[in-house]
Amino acid sequence: DTAVSQTPKYLVTQMGNDKSIKCEQNLGHDTMYWYKQDSKKFLKIMFSYNNKELIINETVPNRFSPKSPDKAHLNLHINSLELGDSAVYFCASSHVITGTSSYEQYFGPGTRLTVT
Amino acid sequence: AQSVSQHNHHVILSEAASLELGCNYSYGGTVNLFWYVQYPGQHLQLLLKYFSGDPLVKGIKGFEAEFIKSKFSFNLRKPSVQWSDTAEYFCAVNGGFQKLVFGTGTRLLVSP
Repeated sequence: DTAVSQTPKYLVTQMGNDKSIKCEQNLGHDTMYWYKQDSKKFLKIMFSYNNKELIINETVPNRFSPKSPDKAHLNLHINSLELGDSAVYFCASSHVITGTSSYEQYFGPGTRLTVT
Repeated sequence: AQSVSQHNHHVILSEAASLELGCNYSYGGTVNLFWYVQYPGQHLQLLLKYFSGDPLVKGIKGFEAEFIKSKFSFNLRKPSVQWSDTAEYFCAVNGGFQKLVFGTGTRLLVSP
């Protein structure tokens, strides 16, 4: 009954490689996100999709390309990996609380990417 | 632009001590405020949230937070911490388009 799941949990790869991280949510939410948490634990949003449409793109390098095949999935593909891409990547999803304009985000377990 | 400041980067307490973690935000619109906790090696979990109404909100595990609009603050409190509260705590504010802007986090270490 996992709400937001990510695969893989750990990813170790060399500079220059291309890799993908997958995210799935079974909560029926319309909006999904990717966040990056750096080595100092700082969390910053990268992308957001609503009903498969990109709505937030926070000055992320072109090497990062999100793809949402349907509203339950949001994958992150990274080309030409660099050392600085090493981080924990969190997927999240959200819904609007009924009767309000407020929302709540649910996070996945994270994918620890290490680029060597 | 929205921003969140957490001034306490590291806090060390003994068990049973009281906790208050500061959070100040900068946002011109109607705010939704959140505190998330990240236990070592785990993902973010929602502790509590403020959307509207009573400015004192209760969360899980005995945590509470008070929204003070005039001070742009949303401080997290717990009267008596336990060793199991050792974790990283993040304050966040909505940034429009359902985007959360996070503070830099406060690392809490509770010694037994």
